Amino acid sequence: KAGVTQTPRYLIKTRGQQVTLSCSPISGHRSVSWYQQTPGQGLQFLFEYFSETQRNKGNFPGRFSGRQFSNSRSEMNVSTLELGDSALYLCASSLAFGTQFADPSSSYEQYFGPGTRLTVT
Amino acid sequence: DQQVKQNSPSLSVQEGRISILNCDYTNSMFDYFLWYKKYPAEGPTFLISISSIKDKNEDGRFTVFLNKSAKHLSLHIVPSQPGDSAVYFCAAKTSYDKVIFGPGTSLSVIP
Repeated sequence: KAGVTQTPRYLIKTRGQQVTLSCSPISGHRSVSWYQQTPGQGLQFLFEYFSETQRNKGNFPGRFSGRQFSNSRSEMNVSTLELGDSALYLCASSLAFGTQFADPSSSYEQYFGPGTRLTVT
Repeated sequence: DQQVKQNSPSLSVQEGRISILNCDYTNSMFDYFLWYKKYPAEGPTFLISISSIKDKNEDGRFTVFLNKSAKHLSLHIVPSQPGDSAVYFCAAKTSYDKVIFGPGTSLSVIP
């Protein structure tokens, strides 16, 4: 079974531009989450999508948005790029949204893609 | 307010010995806990998880222990191998809410 894929892997943009990142989850996974990782900040949650609906949102400005398609693929968009947006953007997929859908005796699992390295100059 | 804490930024262990990585949390509503390993410039790799109704889960060399009363979990790696050298993240989740990650512990396994 193929893992989570993210495209592109590397991206260089200039301030003020916008960017769209893409994520394809593991086949059968319906939940997709996005994270930003910067040195010293760890993994910061951006948002989570399930069944084409945003279910959770992190503390990021409105310049960060996303969507999910009917095939569970997801895109993340950042408008009016700032230097501070330079980071590794990670996408993760899981089978279901919320632990209540899972067998309570099992374990929740979430798998990450390789990330997109965005550099804003 | 950091809900998931990993108080040891780094840990060094001799090859073949046990590595114990610790994690504390503050939210008693968390019902799933996960451990990830991360190499530089790569996405985190899922290692093992545990539901709050269990107190132990094993997968090969990796065992996670959960102590709900102490709001503490630990990851044991036995035996430790040089390839285990990486940053380890503890994470936690409540139903329908986002996964919250700890700051990570850098493990070095010395040959």
